[in-house]
Amino acid sequence: LAKTTQPISMDSYEGQEVNITCSHNNIATNDYITWYQQFPSQGPRFIIQGYKTKVTNEVASLFIPADRKSSTLSLPRVSLSDTAVYYCLVQGSARQLTFGSGTQLTVLP
Amino acid sequence: EPEVTQTPSHQVTQMGQEVILRCVPISNHLYFYWYRQILGQKVEFLVSFYNNEISEKSEIFDDQFSVERPDGSNFTLKIRSTKLEDSAMYFCASSERADTDTQYFGPGTRLTVL
Repeated sequence: LAKTTQPISMDSYEGQEVNITCSHNNIATNDYITWYQQFPSQGPRFIIQGYKTKVTNEVASLFIPADRKSSTLSLPRVSLSDTAVYYCLVQGSARQLTFGSGTQLTVLP
Repeated sequence: EPEVTQTPSHQVTQMGQEVILRCVPISNHLYFYWYRQILGQKVEFLVSFYNNEISEKSEIFDDQFSVERPDGSNFTLKIRSTKLEDSAMYFCASSERADTDTQYFGPGTRLTVL
């Protein structure tokens, strides 16, 4: 199971773009990269998933370089309500999701 | 948008009592999961369930835990004899397929064991 490493915390200001990078050096060929968001006392919420290059949806973009050993979640123009913990997961053949400690993003006014 | 629901939102029980946590997965999903999160700690996998049987379980999921799909919509987690250390948020999740398919989480049940 590929281990992920991401910063423990990040601060940003409202309206800025936030990039959270995750490293997963031992990612396997069949693994996907998935990001979740979690607010206090709530369940994790799926944000985005990708395999390679770039994926974009209505809330975020995910950039994955060719070697797939890292990925970057990009949140455009964050607001106070984006303050949450963001988890990077490597998802493969195992059905269980393995959560790390995540990145606590704090958006300041 | 379809969502996973869980009841109750908060359950308080005495040590040694049995509790049943209930979940209604998204209707066309076939794979179901339970996770737990002790306050201030990571989200931990407990069990996955497919086709009316357990697919995978973690070391946490010992003999005091059981899961069941009693009808076509509910998915339950039973803790037979609760311990103080079972106090946590319990999250149900479901996915349409397995492997890399997206798992959608419910809002959780906060279990407090006194």
